[in-house]
Amino acid sequence: GAGVSQSPSNKVTEKGKDVELRCDPISGHTALYWYRQSLGQGLEFLIYFQGNSAPDKSGLPSDRFSAERTGGSVSTLTIQRTQQEDSAVYLCASSGRGQNTEAFFGQGTRLTVV
Amino acid sequence: LAKTTQPISMDSYEGQEVNITCSHNNIATNDYITWYQQFPSQGPRFIIQGYKTKVTNEVASLFIPADRKSSTLSLPRVSLSDTAVYYCLVEFSTNAGKSTFGDGTTLTVKP
Repeated sequence: GAGVSQSPSNKVTEKGKDVELRCDPISGHTALYWYRQSLGQGLEFLIYFQGNSAPDKSGLPSDRFSAERTGGSVSTLTIQRTQQEDSAVYLCASSGRGQNTEAFFGQGTRLTVV
Repeated sequence: LAKTTQPISMDSYEGQEVNITCSHNNIATNDYITWYQQFPSQGPRFIIQGYKTKVTNEVASLFIPADRKSSTLSLPRVSLSDTAVYYCLVEFSTNAGKSTFGDGTTLTVKP
């Protein structure tokens, strides 16, 4: 596609349920990033993929959070047993190979846990 | 990780030049400095990137002093549509991916 696509754009879920957030990066981009942005706050780094590998998972806030990437393309961020504090906009970005290449962001998924 | 510090907010008027300064005292030799712009309900958008001295593109200039402990984003002749949050970011040159966004500067351009 022309840009980074995220789905769903909005998700309302009940506390305790699991959710899956999807990110389709720009075709050919090897690097993929997940960030979280709470209302009125800056971006919080969650995880980074280079190809299908995630060299650094230390940004994930708890073991309820996990992410995977298959085929060097689509990535899924899964939140298990959601809590109200998980409510935020989850942003995905991708960038091409090479040093300091520009990251392109999707529009985000707005997650609301009620 | 190199942490960045920016002013929380700035006000300006249409047609003025706006300079937003970011401090990154712990920047490492291989780190680059990148600025992003974010409008409400959208993901951040790349503005400009530099390593040292001055970089200019069609929308902004980036000034980086010799010690690289700070950088200044310069927006010439702002318009109302430049009202947004501006983030200063320090990135590893190896594209390690663990980029740290600060809290950003909310720029409000008034008529």
